Amino acid sequence: DAGVTQSPTHLIKTRGQQVTLRCSPKSGHDTVSWYQQALGQGPQFIFQYYEEEERQRGNFPDRFSGHQFPNYSSELNVNALWLGDSALYLCASSPPAQNYGYTFGSGTRLTVV
Amino acid sequence: GNSVTQMEGPVTLSEEAFLTINCTYTATGYPSLFWYVQYPGEGLQLLLKATKADDKGSNKGFEATYRKETTSFHLEKGSVQVSDSAVYFCARSAQKLVFGQGTRLTINP
Repeated sequence: DAGVTQSPTHLIKTRGQQVTLRCSPKSGHDTVSWYQQALGQGPQFIFQYYEEEERQRGNFPDRFSGHQFPNYSSELNVNALWLGDSALYLCASSPPAQNYGYTFGSGTRLTVV
Repeated sequence: GNSVTQMEGPVTLSEEAFLTINCTYTATGYPSLFWYVQYPGEGLQLLLKATKADDKGSNKGFEATYRKETTSFHLEKGSVQVSDSAVYFCARSAQKLVFGQGTRLTINP
């Protein structure tokens, strides 16, 4: 049984560009959350998707947007990239109606130059 | 507000030493509490969890007890190994996970 799968694993973008990161949740999970982890810091909550809707959002600007598809997979989009967006982006999925069954992917390392 | 505060690192110990990493939380209600571990270049792995007061989570020799009276969830291990070297994150959850800043642990042989 595959866990949470994220793609790509690494990428490098230029300031001002746009990026899309992808996440496939663990089988049986219907909720997907995205986190940003800057170097040496703890992960910060970006947003959470459930039933194809954004259910919660952290303190991130509108440049960060997302989407969830009918098969529960999700995308994170970041527009107008800043150097400060360089981080490890983590996706976590969780099963229906639970607040403790989170499974994390290995993350996408984004470098903005 | 809802936050998690961890003991600042880095922490360096010798193999077979006793480990404690302190964690306290603030939250409304009764969140679930977690310890996650992150090895170099990897994502987060769940180490242990506790979902209600006085629960003890345990895994791979690590333990933590959900203390409502002190709002704490300290991580302990009786005898650490070199392979335990990693960054450890305490987290609490209501509908989202809120993490502490992480504690880098290095175990020397």
